[in-house]
Amino acid sequence: DAGVIQSPRHEVTEMGQEVTLRCKPISGHNSLFWYRQTMMRGLELLIYFNNNVPIDDSGMPEDRFSAKMPNASFSTLKIQPSEPRDSAVYFCASSFRAGAFEQYFGPGTRLTVT
Amino acid sequence: TQLLEQSPQFLSIQEGENLTVYCNSSSVFSSLQWYRQEPGEGPVLLVTVVTGGEVKKLKRLTFQFGDARKDSSLHITAAQPGDTGLYLCAGPINDYKLSFGAGTTVTVRA
Repeated sequence: DAGVIQSPRHEVTEMGQEVTLRCKPISGHNSLFWYRQTMMRGLELLIYFNNNVPIDDSGMPEDRFSAKMPNASFSTLKIQPSEPRDSAVYFCASSFRAGAFEQYFGPGTRLTVT
Repeated sequence: TQLLEQSPQFLSIQEGENLTVYCNSSSVFSSLQWYRQEPGEGPVLLVTVVTGGEVKKLKRLTFQFGDARKDSSLHITAAQPGDTGLYLCAGPINDYKLSFGAGTTVTVRA
């Protein structure tokens, strides 16, 4: 079975532009996580979905960030407008069920905002 | 403030040497996980330890969970260049959320 799929792998955009990151979780997994990784702060959980419903978005930095999961096989993370401090690697991860802490990460999207 | 403190932050060794990285906390965890992240990729789960004092072996990697379930270690025997990567420990802080350590960057020189 394919692992977690993320697109694009790299994104370079100018400050003020809208950025949309995409994720396809592993089939059959009903928990989905979006993380951000930076040198300064390490891996931070942004938002957690269970059965397509956002359960915890306390890690979303501010209103410029939004995430959706319209169905079990697709999620998006959107930043509008983007700022240079949003530059980071964004990971999507999925797990079989809530409470199953084994998480499977995608390859990440490296975002650079100039 | 990190719940899980990892040490050392960086480790560079020669192929064939042994190494140990540590993951410590003042909090008790129900389980701890170790992930390895290679450059340009996402973290990959190596192991989950769940019982205090537990030792798990994965080929040349040995993982130990402290008796009090506050710390863990990862020992690699006869390291190879393929062991190069960022090693992250993580523990659950509620029924869905993991807290990750800052990681140890391991470089194995050929």
